[in-house]
Amino acid sequence: GENVEQHPSTLSVQEGDSAVIKCTYSDSASNYFPWYKQELGKRPQLIIDIRSNVGEKKDQRIAVTLNKTAKHFSLHITETQPEDSAVYFCAASRTGYALNFGKGTSLLVTP
Amino acid sequence: GAVVSQHPSWVICKSGTSVKIECRSLDFQATTMFWYRQFPKQSLMLMATSNEGSKATYEQGVEKDKFLINHASLTLSTLTVTSAHPEDSSFYICSASIQGITDTQYFGPGTRLTVL
Repeated sequence: GENVEQHPSTLSVQEGDSAVIKCTYSDSASNYFPWYKQELGKRPQLIIDIRSNVGEKKDQRIAVTLNKTAKHFSLHITETQPEDSAVYFCAASRTGYALNFGKGTSLLVTP
Repeated sequence: GAVVSQHPSWVICKSGTSVKIECRSLDFQATTMFWYRQFPKQSLMLMATSNEGSKATYEQGVEKDKFLINHASLTLSTLTVTSAHPEDSSFYICSASIQGITDTQYFGPGTRLTVL
C-alpha cells in the first residue's frame, strides 16, 4: 500500500518568513495530493491540492509542487502569519480511494 | 457547498456500551464515505471505506465486528462502536467524496468519543 512520509514533524518560523513542508510517497499510481490544515479539536481543512498531471499550483500565499519522478511534493507558505499556526497534513491517493496521510507537521508562527 | 456533518460531536459512554456515530453529506450525494480515527497528536488513520449499498471495506487490524458500518443511502453512513472500551477513546472523523468527482474529500467535524 501507499506510504507517505512527512518532514519536519515540527517547524517554527517568525512571522513573515516562509515555511516549507515536504512529503514523499511510495505508490507511483497515486495521482492526487492534497494538503490539509488542522487546528486543535477541529476537522482537517483542505488548503490546496494538486493532481499528477500538474507540477505546481499556487493560491495566494500557498503553493504546492510535485515531482512525480522523485515521488515527492512540497507545501510552501510565504509571508507566514500567526494564524497559519496549526498542524498540516499531506496526503496521497489514487482517484476514488482513501487518503493516506503523512504524520503531520506542527507549524508555529511567532510574532 | 460540499458540507459534511457528524453527530454527535462528542460522546461519553461507559465501558461495554455501544455508540453510533452518523456522517451525513448535506448538499451532495456521496457514493463513498471514509471513516478515520485520530489519536491525540497523531495522524488520521483510515479505518474503513463505506460504499452505498454494499459492505464496507475494513483496513487491516480494524475489527469489522466491533466497528459496524452502514451506508444505507447516498447521504448517510453510520459507524457503531460496539462494546466500547477505554482504548476506543479517540476522535472519529468521516469524509465523503462527491459522486462522480472522487478526488476531493470533504471532512466532517469529527466525533470525540470518551469511554470510561
